Formats: sequence, structure tokens, C-alpha cells
Amino acid sequence: GAVVSQHPSRVICKSGTSVKIECRSLDFQATTMFWYRQFPKKSLMLMATSNEGSKATYEQGVEKDKFLINHASLTLSTLTVTSAHPEDSSFYICSARDRDLRKLFFGSGTQLSVL
Amino acid sequence: DQQVKQNSPSLSVQEGRISILNCDYTNSMFDYFLWYKKYPAEGPTFLISISSIKDKNEDGRFTVFLNKSAKHLSLHIVPSQPGDSAVYFCAASVEGSARQLTFGSGTQLTVLP
Repeated sequence: GAVVSQHPSRVICKSGTSVKIECRSLDFQATTMFWYRQFPKKSLMLMATSNEGSKATYEQGVEKDKFLINHASLTLSTLTVTSAHPEDSSFYICSARDRDLRKLFFGSGTQLSVL
Repeated sequence: DQQVKQNSPSLSVQEGRISILNCDYTNSMFDYFLWYKKYPAEGPTFLISISSIKDKNEDGRFTVFLNKSAKHLSLHIVPSQPGDSAVYFCAASVEGSARQLTFGSGTQLTVLP
């Protein structure tokens, strides 16, 4: 089946630094990728929709200057958490839509810990 | 406003028995439903889906039932195995929509040996 690769799987950084997370679709082209955030014991919360070649669409309450998304190709989207703070510590997950247009395949997630 | 609800945060079942996970939705526009399984510190993996034109879909030990009039779906796992222990999310979408899935809050299933 379709595979989505996400890395790094875990990152620990100091407050004020920026962290980049990559999401790649390995065996299919993904015109649309999604970025989610999950707090402990909570559901997946959509942060933004990443469209290849255009600006990302952010959900209400998500700071676009804080969470920079770039979808430069049909197989790669990146999320950069800029000037990270402890409250940004969370589990971030990307997903990509395959040709079926209904099934999403998820990356393995990135656990971000900001000290 | 939660459009997809999983009212049971946790469920414990004995190995070999049936696990039934429930999900309710409020948006009548939803017409495609999916179940995902998630282990800690991993991304969700797709399990099974159902279109609103059906009321049942079966794949091995997993069966999803959809009751459109009640806006309710359920996932049955039989027989349950310890490896099934994970968080299960139901999700819903609108056909043709380029938007994301709407997820429930998840149910932690624990299958006891």
C-alpha cells in the first residue's frame, strides 16, 4: 500500500529554535498533504492543508507565521515550527491523499519536545 | 462543536471476545467513514472504510456497521487479539470534498490476554 515517510520521528530542541519536519509520499504523488497535531489523549487536530505549488490553507486558530508549510513537489511537504516554545511540544503527524481521493495515509509522526 | 464523537475513551475486552467501538456523527453531509488504528508515538494506520450507500463492510476480523438514520457507526473486531490494543479513531468526510477528514477523539482498546 501507499507509504508516507515522516522524519524526524523525535526532536528535542531549545526554546527559540526552529524545527523542520518532512513528509514524503514514497510511492504515489500527493497533490494534497495534511498536517495534524495531537495532544495527549486527544484527537487529531488538523492544522493546515498543504497544496503542491500553492499556499497552504490554515485552520482557524493556527498561526501561519508560526507553522510554516512548504509543499514544493508532489511528494514532499515540510512543516517548520518557528521560534518553538514549550507549548509547541506535541505530536505532529502528516498525511497524504492517494489517487483514491478518499484514503489518507499517515506518516509515523514526530514527537516535538521544546525545553 | 464536535461533529464526530467517540463517547467511550476506553474499552477493555478479553482476548477472543468481540470488541465493539462506537462512533456518532452530527453532520448529515458526511457520506464516507473510516476507522484508523494508532499505536503510541506512531501515525494512524487505515483499517476499514464504508460508504453511506452501504450499511456493512467486512474485512477479515473487522466489520464496520453504519446506521445512517441514527448517524451511528461501529467497528466490530472478532476475535479480539492482544495486538489489537491501540487507540481507534473514527473519521468522516464528504464525498468530493478536497478537505480533510473529521476525526473523533479516539477510543483506547485494551485486549486482555
